[in-house]
Amino acid sequence: DGGITQSPKYLFRKEGQNVTLSCEQNLNHDAMYWYRQDPGQGLRLIYYSQIVNDFQKGDIAEGYSVSREKKESFPLTVTSAQKNPTAFYLCASSQDGRNTDTQYFGPGTRLTVL
Amino acid sequence: AQSVAQPEDQVNVAEGNPLTVKCTYSVSGNPYLFWYVQYPNRGLQFLLKYITGDNLVKGSYGFEAEFNKSQTSFHLKKPSALVSDSALYFCAVSQYNAGNMLTFGGGTRLMVKP
Repeated sequence: DGGITQSPKYLFRKEGQNVTLSCEQNLNHDAMYWYRQDPGQGLRLIYYSQIVNDFQKGDIAEGYSVSREKKESFPLTVTSAQKNPTAFYLCASSQDGRNTDTQYFGPGTRLTVL
Repeated sequence: AQSVAQPEDQVNVAEGNPLTVKCTYSVSGNPYLFWYVQYPNRGLQFLLKYITGDNLVKGSYGFEAEFNKSQTSFHLKKPSALVSDSALYFCAVSQYNAGNMLTFGGGTRLMVKP
């Protein structure tokens, strides 16, 4: 899991609540990513950021929001607009966002909606 | 659009036997291909990648993969499987001019039996 930390490891949310997942990296990487993993499916990209104060939507951005105020941090907010948020969320980072770069992943946060 | 297929949900092999986990891809340009492994409730660990050059790529833990452009495949192989290799394996692809947007296959569960 390298120098990428995610917290909390487990998170429980009531319907209608917003929750924020933390992702921090000490690898001095420029690019950071958020993925969602559902059972039997591969990872799907939610948002990514190649530089501070800039980010782009991925394939499934609806119901999620992000910020990139610092190079080391890329928090993800799961809003009440996300209809089915129960999933395993993975954060990743890469050196500078080139498509040949290796992405390195954090340990993940498992979100459950009660 | 780029896509990845992992045609086998599960692969079973006996310890000491060779293993192959299959991956085929579809991209409009030159592909950049990656293999990751995931242990239960953990993030993804990078195994190896193909960018250019030799079609046989060697990676971590004795794994290797062969890039075959004519068959659009990038199968993961290991000469002698270990019980500890049992995990979920993901193939992913990115392409030139697509940013570092990885598209993942659905994953293949490898079961190595003693």
